[in-house]
Amino acid sequence: AQTVTQSQPEMSVQEAETVTLSCTYDTSESDYYLFWYKQPPSRQMILVIRQEAYKQQNATENRFSVNFQKAAKSFSLKISDSQLGDAAMYFCAYRAGTASKLTFGTGTRLQVTL
Amino acid sequence: NAGVMQNPRHLVRRRGQEARLRCSPMKGHSHVYWYRQLPEEGLKFMVYLQKENIIDESGMPKERFSAEFPKEGPSILRIQQVVRGDSAAYFCASSPSKSGGQPQHFGDGTRLSIL
Repeated sequence: AQTVTQSQPEMSVQEAETVTLSCTYDTSESDYYLFWYKQPPSRQMILVIRQEAYKQQNATENRFSVNFQKAAKSFSLKISDSQLGDAAMYFCAYRAGTASKLTFGTGTRLQVTL
Repeated sequence: NAGVMQNPRHLVRRRGQEARLRCSPMKGHSHVYWYRQLPEEGLKFMVYLQKENIIDESGMPKERFSAEFPKEGPSILRIQQVVRGDSAAYFCASSPSKSGGQPQHFGDGTRLSIL
């Protein structure tokens, strides 16, 4: 069974600084996709970034980028130039290529301080 | 283009009552997924439906829970004879196809509280 592990329950970053959130996963599949979702206090689930396992190039979306290490089964999220609006729960998620469901980690709560 | 619409946003039920949660997918999306989020936890998959068909219900409790996605109208998650442990946020997501690379777009969730 696929599992997703987020080992940092909470992280804190100062405004304008950079922070990295960790995620590891376990799978025997070769075709899969990885996602980071943001859940602010409003409890919406907002897609931040996604990565196809077959792509070696790390995905980037503005201030958000990932470090995808396929052999190590690691998928960390880097947030650059942190803003107050980045404060939220961040969930890492996995989806096998042929599967329907997303498997989520337990989340990392990110605080952004002045 | 409206997003995934869930209603109600909040639902309060007494133990033993029935809860009905509704989800209208994004326009053009025919694949619907339901997830449950217990307090301070991540989302857990419950069920995946296409129009008129349940495709994967491996995450659904065997009793009291059911889901449907009729030809016309929203998808419904139904919980019969609710208990305190059913208190959670229930999220619906939709996608245009089953392809694993297609991101699932989430609604704002329904927060179910059981008195």
